[in-house]
Amino acid sequence: DAGVIQSPRHEVTEMGQEVTLRCKPISGHDYLFWYRQTMMRGLELLIYFNNNVPIDDSGMPEDRFSAKMPNASFSTLKIQPSEPRDSAVYFCASSTGTGNEKLFFGSGTQLSVL
Amino acid sequence: KQEVTQIPAALSVPEGENLVLNCSFTDSAIYNLQWFRQDPGKGLTSLLLIQSSQREQTSGRLNASLDKSSGRSTLYIAASQPGDSATYLCALQMDSSYKLIFGSGTRLLVRP
Repeated sequence: DAGVIQSPRHEVTEMGQEVTLRCKPISGHDYLFWYRQTMMRGLELLIYFNNNVPIDDSGMPEDRFSAKMPNASFSTLKIQPSEPRDSAVYFCASSTGTGNEKLFFGSGTQLSVL
Repeated sequence: KQEVTQIPAALSVPEGENLVLNCSFTDSAIYNLQWFRQDPGKGLTSLLLIQSSQREQTSGRLNASLDKSSGRSTLYIAASQPGDSATYLCALQMDSSYKLIFGSGTRLLVRP
């Protein structure tokens, strides 16, 4: 398996623009997670899905952030409008099982909002 | 509120040395604990997962222990190699909901 695949690897955009980050989880994994990593706050869980259904979005910072999972093999995280403070590395991760399974991370999207 | 602390923030050792990385937490009612490795510009790789009922897990040169009563976990790396250079993060899961609480990590440099 190719692992969790994220695109793009790098995104540079201007404040106010819409940004869409994409993720393909490992086939057969029922859980998908979106994390954000910054120097100041470390790794933070934004939202996670189980069987394509959002379970907990309490970590989504504002209404400007939205996430969807239209099918088992694809998810998007959208920021509209983007702001400089959204600059971070965004990771997608997937897992399966009963809660005691390892988490598999993608390589991340480095987002810079100018 | 659960707080996860990793000390030291950075560590530099010569190749071949055995070393211990520390992770402490304030709420002992954890579901499990994972140790991750993060290479620069890369995602995280899960190294070891210790369930709440377990005391330790081993994989190759890595051994992770868990002492819930004292709120501590350690990652032991035997015979360190330059390829072990990375940031190591511990993460706690408080219940079966899969929400992980991460520590800030220890940046390890193993010098040839």
